[in-house]
Amino acid sequence: RKEVEQDPGPFNVPEGATVAFNCTYSNSASQSFFWYRQDCRKEPKLLMSVYSSGNEDGRFTAQLNRASQYISLLIRDSKLSDSATYLCVVKPGGYQKVTFGTGTKLQVIP
Amino acid sequence: ETGVTQSPTHLIKTRGQQVTLRCSSQSGHNTVSWYQQALGQGPQFIFQYYREEENGRGNFPPRFSGLQFPNYSSELNVNALELDDSALYLCASSWQGASYEQYFGPGTRLTVT
Repeated sequence: RKEVEQDPGPFNVPEGATVAFNCTYSNSASQSFFWYRQDCRKEPKLLMSVYSSGNEDGRFTAQLNRASQYISLLIRDSKLSDSATYLCVVKPGGYQKVTFGTGTKLQVIP
Repeated sequence: ETGVTQSPTHLIKTRGQQVTLRCSSQSGHNTVSWYQQALGQGPQFIFQYYREEENGRGNFPPRFSGLQFPNYSSELNVNALELDDSALYLCASSWQGASYEQYFGPGTRLTVT
């Protein structure tokens, strides 16, 4: 089993739709979780950290389910500019390696 | 912009050569991590430097090595280049604190022929 798994997509959704991505992780000792966004041939950019209680930033909501070992990202009212690859990131405690998922590609269609 | 810079932007090398990539971290950050990203894959962790010491390493052979300088900038060195080393090399800087949010530079695209 991979340390971090994501559905590669692509997810093709119309403008205004709500879309959700999941990311599962295998290391139960993982303590920090993040979502990054990566545009084609660009560097990843931090979208949001994921907190145990869940957190929201505008149209984006992140959730953590420790019991089932997954994190999720919900995007409401999708915009064309949301088209990108979304990477989940998992980090164990301490100064250990950070693991990226392979990313989920989102294409928002007019 | 994150304030993390990398050089060069692009590089073409031949198999067996050596390469050095450079990264300047964001002001106030003391930790630099290096990643290799092949086409269609997520970034793979190479290693991390904290206060000039290697502080964690991924599954990369010893021909991948690095340095961190007192100003927290960093270098990634790769010896005996192989064709499979062709990838985007990303560095990310962070403050080694609880949140550990990383900020990436634009990357160096290395092509090995």
